[in-house]
Amino acid sequence: NAGVTQTPKFQVLKTGQSMTLQCAQDMNHEYMSWYRQDPGMGLRLIHYSVGAGITDQGEVPNGYNVSRSTTEDFPLRLLSAAPSQTSVYFCASSYGRLAGDEEQYFGPGTRLTVT
Amino acid sequence: AQSVTQPDIHITVSEGASLELRCNYSYGATPYLFWYVQSPGQGLQLLLKYFSGDTLVQGIKGFEAEFKRSQSSFNLRKPSVHWSDAAEYFCAVGMKTSYDKVIFGPGTSLSVIP
Repeated sequence: NAGVTQTPKFQVLKTGQSMTLQCAQDMNHEYMSWYRQDPGMGLRLIHYSVGAGITDQGEVPNGYNVSRSTTEDFPLRLLSAAPSQTSVYFCASSYGRLAGDEEQYFGPGTRLTVT
Repeated sequence: AQSVTQPDIHITVSEGASLELRCNYSYGATPYLFWYVQSPGQGLQLLLKYFSGDTLVQGIKGFEAEFKRSQSSFNLRKPSVHWSDAAEYFCAVGMKTSYDKVIFGPGTSLSVIP
């Protein structure tokens, strides 16, 4: 049981490049989320999914796309990278509702730098 | 608007000393409350959570937290800190709105002096 895995661990992009951050979980969780973590700001929700084929926006969705074709995978796409997207990105999953009595399990994070 | 504040950006304590990390929230209803810990280079791990019932909640690693409705607070405590407790601590508030939402505080960085 690997839990929540993220790849890559580190990435450097040039402004305007696109890329996909991968997230996978093997716990059969319905709920998956993407957060970004910036110094002094905690974690902010980018997008989330309540099940395969269902996604929705969080607090800071601009510049990011997601899709959920399977229960296991929830990739995050940066369409045209900008320096403001330099951050640490965390994927999380939970069996039930985000704000319910379910624990969120977090991946190890992807540190992204956009130059 | 809902918010979570952690007034202390950084705290330093000596090993063996007691610890209290503060968390205040702003939300109209009774929230779900969480404390997470993040070790350097790692993801977040749940320490404890409060949903209802007893306002004193026990968690892993010897941590506890107390929900005080009148003060809109959920402070984290540990009676004796270990060097391995050095990490970033995040308070989070969950609320059932039109879409489920968890808001994280900015975090408190804990350093432990041997």
